[in-house]
Amino acid sequence: KAGVTQTPRYLIKTRGQQVTLSCSPISGHRSVSWYQQTPGQGLQFLFEYFSETQRNKGNFPGRFSGRQFSNSRSEMNVSTLELGDSALYLCASSLGVGGESYEQYFGPGTRLTVT
Amino acid sequence: AQSVSQHNHHVILSEAASLELGCNYSYGGTVNLFWYVQYPGQHLQLLLKYFSGDPLVKGIKGFEAEFIKSKFSFNLRKPSVQWSDTAEYFCAVNPRGGSYIPTFGRGTSLIVHP
Repeated sequence: KAGVTQTPRYLIKTRGQQVTLSCSPISGHRSVSWYQQTPGQGLQFLFEYFSETQRNKGNFPGRFSGRQFSNSRSEMNVSTLELGDSALYLCASSLGVGGESYEQYFGPGTRLTVT
Repeated sequence: AQSVSQHNHHVILSEAASLELGCNYSYGGTVNLFWYVQYPGQHLQLLLKYFSGDPLVKGIKGFEAEFIKSKFSFNLRKPSVQWSDTAEYFCAVNPRGGSYIPTFGRGTSLIVHP
């Protein structure tokens, strides 16, 4: 089975721009979660989508949004980029919705640099 | 708010030494517990998990962890480390039911000298 894939792997953007990151989950997985990883804050949960619906959301501003398509692929959007948004963005997929007893499988991440 | 604390930020060991990495969490409800490993240049991989049942769980590569509910702890152990265990280790807590905000510890960097 192919693992979780994320595109692009690296991205450089300028402050004020917006960016869209993509995640393809493992085949058959219906849940996709997004995380931000930085040296200062570690791994922080952004949100989770299950069956095209946002099920849970972490403590991030509204500039961070996402969506999930009928094939379970997910996109994450960050608008009005700030320097502090520079991070590794990780996507994880799971068979079931968060809060139930399923394990997550992580992708390689997208390294976003905001200049 | 829930939190996960990993006590050791950096650990340096020689091969064959025993390893124990501490993980404590604060959350009042039922949780699923995980340890993940990130080898240099690779993505996060699941090392082991606890959902319910026997509090002593075994994972890949000889790792095991013990869930002590009264101490809110889920410590990772390995009796004899190898150079290939050099990696970053993360403890994670996922609340079951209700509001689901998975929380990760800040990670422990393990360096094993041959």
